[in-house]
Amino acid sequence: EPEVTQTPSHQVTQMGQEVILRCVPISNHLYFYWYRQILGQKVEFLVSFYNNEISEKSEIFDDQFSVERPDGSNFTLKIRSTKLEDSAMYFCASSQDGSNYGYTFGSGTRLTVV
Amino acid sequence: GQQLNQSPQSMFIQEGEDVSMNCTSSSIFNTWLWYKQDPGEGPVLLIALYKAGELTSNGRLTAQFGITRKDSFLNISASIPSDVGIYFCAGTTDSWGKFQFGAGTQVVVTP
Repeated sequence: EPEVTQTPSHQVTQMGQEVILRCVPISNHLYFYWYRQILGQKVEFLVSFYNNEISEKSEIFDDQFSVERPDGSNFTLKIRSTKLEDSAMYFCASSQDGSNYGYTFGSGTRLTVV
Repeated sequence: GQQLNQSPQSMFIQEGEDVSMNCTSSSIFNTWLWYKQDPGEGPVLLIALYKAGELTSNGRLTAQFGITRKDSFLNISASIPSDVGIYFCAGTTDSWGKFQFGAGTQVVVTP
């Protein structure tokens, strides 16, 4: 069964450093998403991306965050200057055609900011 | 803003018992998804619901999209130890994938 792949599975970074989280969506999917889950809390929507631009973003997704699809397979989330409160699991998801069919999550990257 | 409430927060049940959990929303949703999440893992889709009144099964799991489009439930029949985990509902008012998640129901199954 097709999978959304995320790397690394765990990233430790110092406060103030830039971090890039990587995702490889399912190959024929066109819509891409990032969510985060602070330990013990709900999964929260960050951003959706289609046709090489952001479709929608939440209030969490401030100027410190950016997303990019640098090539035909990767979808990245960059945090420019990490803060302690950015520590969370970050999940990438993709869907085929924006109708929510086939919506699939990756296994996540655990980001720890120290 | 939208409110999505999931209950119960946790359930402790004996193997073989049935489990039922539900989510209610302050808004009308057009899609409900039910996920299971194991520790340190991403959410794994169990059941997707796209129409009001829809009742869908996946093995021992059954979920329904409420007629009012503001609620959904998930049932697990004849629970087994591997059903242990956190179950999340997720819903959206649009077709563009911005899902709102419930707080989760932690299920513990004892032999």
